Amino acid sequence: NAGVMQNPRHLVRRRGQEARLRCSPMKGHSHVYWYRQLPEEGLKFMVYLQKENIIDESGMPKERFSAEFPKEGPSILRIQQVVRGDSAAYFCASSPRYSGSWSDTQYFGPGTRLTVL
Amino acid sequence: DAKTTQPPSMDCAEGRAANLPCNHSTISGNEYVYWYRQIHSQGPQYIIHGLKNNETNEMASLIITEDRKSSTLILPHATLRDTAVYYCIVRVGGTSYGKLTFGQGTILTVHP
Repeated sequence: NAGVMQNPRHLVRRRGQEARLRCSPMKGHSHVYWYRQLPEEGLKFMVYLQKENIIDESGMPKERFSAEFPKEGPSILRIQQVVRGDSAAYFCASSPRYSGSWSDTQYFGPGTRLTVL
Repeated sequence: DAKTTQPPSMDCAEGRAANLPCNHSTISGNEYVYWYRQIHSQGPQYIIHGLKNNETNEMASLIITEDRKSSTLILPHATLRDTAVYYCIVRVGGTSYGKLTFGQGTILTVHP
């Protein structure tokens, strides 16, 4: 079973450009989470999505950031008009569809390192 | 989700057991204890989780006290590759899917 896949692994953008980060969840997983890790800081939750639905976006910056998880294809985290402060590692995690079990586990991808020049 | 407290750093000799404590004194009855680790900026790696009983898998053991206010992650034979930041996270399981709240974790350094 392939794990969570993220691409690109490294992304360089100039200020004002757009960044698109992709996440393919593990097979059979229908829940996707995005986290951000700023340099020398901890991991912070950004957004939680199910297929075609945003469930919790309480950690998303109010402007320039958006996320989607379409019916077909990977989840996309989009950052418009990037600024230097957006430079960070962005991690995606996935978990399986709730099956009545009392626990769920999130499995993380390798991350995308975004550098804004 | 309940707050957790972990020591900022620990050392362990290679081949010895590493015992990482976590305090979660405000844990609720439906909250699980999860452990993840992050090796040098890689994606966090799931280790183990439990509700009230002790758990063991191929990576580690999790010992939860009877009152569930604290737990210990045990790596039975630490290797250099176990050097990482270890995160103890408490969150509701079951129907309440949602975010993981990462604290500062414990930096475990395994030395030869």
